[in-house]
Amino acid sequence: EAGVVQSPRYKIIEKKQPVAFWCNPISGHNTLYWYLQNLGQGPELLIRYENEEAVDDSQLPKDRFSAERLKGVDSTLKIQPAELGDSAVYLCASSLTGSVTDTQYFGPGTRLTVL
Amino acid sequence: GENVEQHPSTLSVQEGDSAVIKCTYSDSASNYFPWYKQELGKGPQLIIDIRSNVGEKKDQRIAVTLNKTAKHFSLHITETQPEDSAVYFCAASRDSGTYKYIFGTGTRLKVLA
Repeated sequence: EAGVVQSPRYKIIEKKQPVAFWCNPISGHNTLYWYLQNLGQGPELLIRYENEEAVDDSQLPKDRFSAERLKGVDSTLKIQPAELGDSAVYLCASSLTGSVTDTQYFGPGTRLTVL
Repeated sequence: GENVEQHPSTLSVQEGDSAVIKCTYSDSASNYFPWYKQELGKGPQLIIDIRSNVGEKKDQRIAVTLNKTAKHFSLHITETQPEDSAVYFCAASRDSGTYKYIFGTGTRLKVLA
């Protein structure tokens, strides 16, 4: 069975440009997460979806970040405009349900470099 | 806010030796503690977890212990192998409401052949 798919794997942009990341979760997984991972740090939750509803977006910087999960399957995370400090790895994960003990399966991430 | 401290940041062991990674959490309401392994260029992968009503859990060469009084939990890897080399993250979370995994800063484990 395919795991969580993310694209692109790498993205280099200049500051103030927009960028978008795409995630396809494991089939049948209702819960989807976007995490930010800075170099040498653990992942930090940005937003959690239950189906198409964002149930926790408290950590998402809403002035420049937006996310959507249309039809409760694929999801996109957008940054507009990007800043130098946004350089990081953006991880997508999914789990079968929203239970805290459900295993979260992570994708390989998108490494963003903002010049 | 909630915080998870993880030590050491790097750990080198000889193949066959044991490795121990320690974490301390600040939120006393945390009751679920997963451990993740992240290999280069990949996303984290769950290797073991423990709930607060259990003091110890084992899975083959991996074990996790929890001391709720001290708000401290540890990962133990015995008979280490080169393929155990990776970055390991601990995390802590409440099991209610708008839960959120609070991850530690990671431990880079190197198993020397």
